Amino acid sequence: QQPVQSPQAVILREGEDAVINCSSSKALYSVHWYRQKHGEAPVFLMILLKGGEQKGHEKISASFNEKKQQSSLYLTASQLSYSGTYFCGTAVGSGNTGKLIFGQGTTLQVKP
Amino acid sequence: ETGVTQTPRHLVMGMTNKKSLKCEQHLGHNAMYWYKQSAKKPLELMFVYSLEERVENNSVPSRFSPECPNSSHLFLHLHTLQPEDSALYLCASSQMWPTSNYGYTFGSGTRLTVV
Repeated sequence: QQPVQSPQAVILREGEDAVINCSSSKALYSVHWYRQKHGEAPVFLMILLKGGEQKGHEKISASFNEKKQQSSLYLTASQLSYSGTYFCGTAVGSGNTGKLIFGQGTTLQVKP
Repeated sequence: ETGVTQTPRHLVMGMTNKKSLKCEQHLGHNAMYWYKQSAKKPLELMFVYSLEERVENNSVPSRFSPECPNSSHLFLHLHTLQPEDSALYLCASSQMWPTSNYGYTFGSGTRLTVV
C-alpha cells in the first residue's frame, strides 16, 4: 500500500519553514526520506527505524510516530538548495529485502 | 568509480526492438532494485534482488526481464515494449538490513522512450 504524502506542493521564501507529512494505512517497520532534484537521482536524507525516533541533518529533521503510522519531515530556515521533490519510502515488513514503497512526492520550491 | 552507475542515460527504442539497461554498484551492497518513475507518478517498485536472488516481482509484465549475475551488476532486458513503458528507470542498491544511517543509493537512471 502506497504511503500518502501531504501537501503535494509547497512554495516558500528563503528562511521559511515547512513540514511534509507521510502517512501509511499499514504498520511501518521503517521510514526513509529522499530528495530528488530535477533530472537527478533521488538522494537519501535519513532513515527512521523506531517509533518516536527523531533524526536531524543540518536544518532538516524528521520524526516517526509508529502508533499513528506516520512520519514528518521538518525543513527549517529553508535555503534555495532545498528545492526539489521529497519522497518518503516505507518498509512494511521487517523482511530481509528492505523493500520500500514510495509516496507520490511533495514538490518544494524555495524562492529568494 | 563509486556509487551506482546506470547505462545508457538515454534510450530510444521501437516497439519491436530488444535492448538492455545496465546497473553497476561499487558500494558492497547485497540488495539491488529496479524502480520505474513516470511523469507525475510515484516511484514504482519493479524488482528486488537480494544476494543475487530475485525476491520480488511486483506484477511486472513479462516484456521486462531482470538479470542479476552477481551482487554488483543488475540488468533489465526489454523487448516488445509499449509506448506507455516510456519512463525513467532507476536502479538502487542497499544493504540487506537497513541500519540506522544508510538507505538506498540510486543511480541517475535511464530515460527510456518507446516509439
